[in-house]
Amino acid sequence: GQQLNQSPQSMFIQEGEDVSMNCTSSSIFNTWLWYKQEPGEGPVLLIALYKAGELTSNGRLTAQFGITRKDSFLNISASIPSDVGIYFCAGLTSGTYKYIFGTGTRLKVLA
Amino acid sequence: DSGVTQTPKHLITATGQRVTLRCSPRSGDLSVYWYQQSLDQGLQFLIQYYNGEERAKGNILERFSAQQFPDLHSELNLSSLELGDSALYFCASSAGTPNQPQHFGDGTRLSIL
Repeated sequence: GQQLNQSPQSMFIQEGEDVSMNCTSSSIFNTWLWYKQEPGEGPVLLIALYKAGELTSNGRLTAQFGITRKDSFLNISASIPSDVGIYFCAGLTSGTYKYIFGTGTRLKVLA
Repeated sequence: DSGVTQTPKHLITATGQRVTLRCSPRSGDLSVYWYQQSLDQGLQFLIQYYNGEERAKGNILERFSAQQFPDLHSELNLSSLELGDSALYFCASSAGTPNQPQHFGDGTRLSIL
């Protein structure tokens, strides 16, 4: 099925470092969502974005809705071990109800 | 806790069998979505229901079917199971109006032996 391109696919970082990941598409979206999934659990909603250029924070997490509406970015500042997991983006095009999910970015934090 | 309840958490069965996965949406949510996640893969959208009616269909096999009942809970039926059907199956719910985010349950892990 159709999926968004997320990069990087995986990251190994040191505790305390900042993390950046992004999601890109050839389609225009009017909503972007970012989720985190930990082993054995379902994805948990982190941030929802509804307007091009919007910048929204949730604690140490900050996400942006790209100006072109074809991309979105997620930053994690001062990473900690519990940030480990798979981060998914999801986009929704106008006139549809079906979110398209990214392929995921696997984050590992080394203490 | 997302408020979305999925049962059972684990299911082990054999090839050729049929299973039913159950989902109760968050209170107030009218829409239910089903996804399949194979090992180390992303989320593959299967099907969506809104207030009892099918609203969108993804890559759902003909051996799979789903429905949403008047009390808004949903069931995903998987039949003639094959080894490749082993996966995590997630249910998500939303209010169903445009742009509303989905909230996921903890999934059912299906293992086919």
